[in-house]
Amino acid sequence: GQQVQQSPASLVLQEGENAELQCNFSSTATQLQWFYQRPGGSLVSLLYNPSGTKHTGRLTSTTVTKERRSSLHISSSQITDSGTYFCAIITGYQNFYFGKGTSLTVIP
Amino acid sequence: GPKVLQIPSHQIIDMGQMVTLNCDPVSNHLYFYWYKQILGQQMEFLVNFYNGKVMEKSKLFKDQFSVERPDGSYFTLKIQPTALEDSAVYFCASSPRDRGSNERLFFGHGTKLSVL
Repeated sequence: GQQVQQSPASLVLQEGENAELQCNFSSTATQLQWFYQRPGGSLVSLLYNPSGTKHTGRLTSTTVTKERRSSLHISSSQITDSGTYFCAIITGYQNFYFGKGTSLTVIP
Repeated sequence: GPKVLQIPSHQIIDMGQMVTLNCDPVSNHLYFYWYKQILGQQMEFLVNFYNGKVMEKSKLFKDQFSVERPDGSYFTLKIQPTALEDSAVYFCASSPRDRGSNERLFFGHGTKLSVL
């Protein structure tokens, strides 16, 4: 079954607004990583956050391992933030399972 | 940062032919992965590989698929024969070995496979 659920599936924001992306997982995850993908592009690692809160630039991720959830907060969104954000967890033999992603569109 | 290189970036072949996708992982990484992504959709795990062996594979890793990494060369995904439904972007990824402290996944730019 689906091990990683992401919400919302899509999100439209005006430039300058904040975004909150959610990731819930059904299996015990030993590690968690957030990725970004531009349409037609590769995956770029944003944050590696197995637990607690991590920051980088305008991004903040909070992972609560016991509750099997993680969030990605994007502050002051910019048009260039548009793309798909994936959450991935590690289970088993260091295998990463991905969610279906949240498609973010930032408009002027 | 660390780079995973994939060659070629785009491959067009006729259905039934064999294709080999090449990946040059980050040099000190020991875990390697292949993922399949159909346009705009989810990243689907195919297989992971460690110490010369397949560690785990998904249902998408059909009998027509095989992986190997001969010493000092590329980590390859071979599909023989190809089918129309194999058309997708195939991403290679690698990860360091040290479990628990550094298990980040690094991706290549993908090979777009078009089966006609």
